[in-house]
Amino acid sequence: DQQVKQNSPSLSVQEGRISILNCDYTNSMFDYFLWYKKYPAEGPTFLISISSIKDKNEDGRFTVFLNKSAKHLSLHIVPSQPGDSAVYFCAASANAGGTSYGKLTFGQGTILTVHP
Amino acid sequence: DGGITQSPKYLFRKEGQNVTLSCEQNLNHDAMYWYRQDPGQGLRLIYYSQIVNDFQKGDIAEGYSVSREKKESFPLTVTSAQKNPTAFYLCASSMYSSDTQYFGPGTRLTVL
Repeated sequence: DQQVKQNSPSLSVQEGRISILNCDYTNSMFDYFLWYKKYPAEGPTFLISISSIKDKNEDGRFTVFLNKSAKHLSLHIVPSQPGDSAVYFCAASANAGGTSYGKLTFGQGTILTVHP
Repeated sequence: DGGITQSPKYLFRKEGQNVTLSCEQNLNHDAMYWYRQDPGQGLRLIYYSQIVNDFQKGDIAEGYSVSREKKESFPLTVTSAQKNPTAFYLCASSMYSSDTQYFGPGTRLTVL
């Protein structure tokens, strides 16, 4: 049962344009969402997170949008740079109630390629 | 420098042997986690620990064991009972169990 899905295995974007990575989830108990960036043979690097009490969070070139009614979140990267080329994972946890113990459920990842 | 270290980066073992993967953090984080990544898949949780001397099974704990004798260390043993041990193993830690998790560089285990 895939509770967090990234339906696009790959995305190709021109340098300077916007990259939009999408993520859908099914578990309505999820209340904290994160995006990680990962290079091959390295650990994921935390990018940005959002709590379910918000619908938008910005950090520099990265913005995450959360649509709770649609159970959908997206990561916008503007402007995209060649160094952004990596695999992007979304992850979710259910922290309310204190029973999740921080367990993260990950999507399958989307490979982003930014062309110069 | 604060961070999470995993050693070794690459590990080769013969089938039937147990192997222990190291994970150390100097971030003073209470919670630590072990994940496994297979090609084309997301990360899956093996074990987690919220505090010293306590740990719980994740989604795919069969064939693995852990210990948490010190706050800084959370070693993972891949036993011969694990049917498909070849994978990329990632350790993570967080200040407390509901906080953002930060990952180490990973260990690629190959069982021959």
